[in-house]
Parts: sequence; C-alpha cells; structure tokens
Amino acid sequence: EVQLVESGGGLVQPGRSLRLSCAASGFTFDDYAMHWVRQAPGKGLEWVSGITWDSGSKDYADSVKGRFTISRDNAKNFVYLEMNSLRAEDMALYYCVMGTGGYWGQGTLVTVSS
Amino acid sequence: DIQMTQSPSSLSASVGDRVTITCRASQDVNKYLAWFQQKPGKAPKSLIYAASSLQSGVPSKFSGSGSGTEFTLTISSLQPEDFATYYCQQYKTYPITFGQGTRLEIK
Repeated sequence: EVQLVESGGGLVQPGRSLRLSCAASGFTFDDYAMHWVRQAPGKGLEWVSGITWDSGSKDYADSVKGRFTISRDNAKNFVYLEMNSLRAEDMALYYCVMGTGGYWGQGTLVTVSS
Repeated sequence: DIQMTQSPSSLSASVGDRVTITCRASQDVNKYLAWFQQKPGKAPKSLIYAASSLQSGVPSKFSGSGSGTEFTLTISSLQPEDFATYYCQQYKTYPITFGQGTRLEIK
C-alpha cells in the first residue's frame, strides 16, 4: 500500500524557516518524481515544487522561487521542502504528492504568524 | 504560465443526475490533464490522468475526455458520496497549474 506521511509543519514567525519531510513507502520511490502542493485555508490547490527521480531537475512556483528548496533522499525514501523567509501567504496545508498525482499524503499544516 | 479555467465554479445537482465539468487551458496541454476529487478535510484523490485514463480503483461512472485546450469530466448517476470539489490540473509544462475548482452540491 502506498503511503506518504508528511511532517515538520507548525507555527512559525514571519521571516523564519521550516523544513517539511515526507516519508514514502509502498512503491519504488526512485521510479517517481515527487511534488509538494499546498492549499491555503478555504482556497484551491497550488503546486509548489517538484523534483525528478534522480534530483536532476527541480522546479518551483514563482511564489516560492529563491525561498524554498526541494530535495530527496532515495536511500531513505524521503522528500523534503526547506522553506526560508516564510510569509503570511505561505500559510497552508502542504501535501506530498507522488508522480503525476496518483497518491497524496494527508498534509502537514504550516502556520505563519507573529 | 498555463492558466486552467473550470466551469462552472459551482453546480447543484440531484442524486441520480449526470453532470459535466469543463476545464479549459490557456495553451495546448495535449493530453497532460488530470482530474481530482476533494472532500472536506481530506486530501485530493486522483480520478483521471492523461485526460481520459481512469485511475485504478475509481468507478467507471467517472469519465474524462478532451485534448489540447478543452477537457471534460463527466460523472454519471450521482450518489451522495460524489458531492465534493473537483479540480483539473495540467502537467505538460512547469509550473504545474490547477483549475480553481468546481464545487458540486446536492440540490
């Protein structure tokens, strides 16, 4: 059974940093690109970042480019999202997503507030 | 960026109805189009990929069609569990983009 379990969310002050983790299991992790998608309270879905199976290519939404960094560890079956210079508008539920969206985690909530 | 526009934004229907949701892309996305269902408090669930391929385990009452810039999601014989918000997504070009969502409500 495919499982994606996010962690690392929480309350953080504007301008501070947070690192999200996603533990993957139940599939051959290094066969798939991985993505982070977020959803602000009461809003729609916004793709944040994606990474190819071999970390050869990483892409970011303009709204996070230069502040967020995606990475993965194929030996441990983890994908990460390092978030710096957090802003109020980054507050959202962050989902870890496998491939083209076949499987999603349950999300980890990031709250940015002073 | 490729803009994805869904219509309608909300839709009221009755149990047993057949409904169609449209998604238009601002540029050609070929068949790199997916549909997701999201219920309140839950993660999105994949329904359709490659515009018309049914995700494993998804009932055949859901069907997708289209290519290029215009796509549709059709749900036949609505049941209470189908009332949710539906999103389209293009994954042809980065940044990946979603439609704004269509909220399907019980009439």
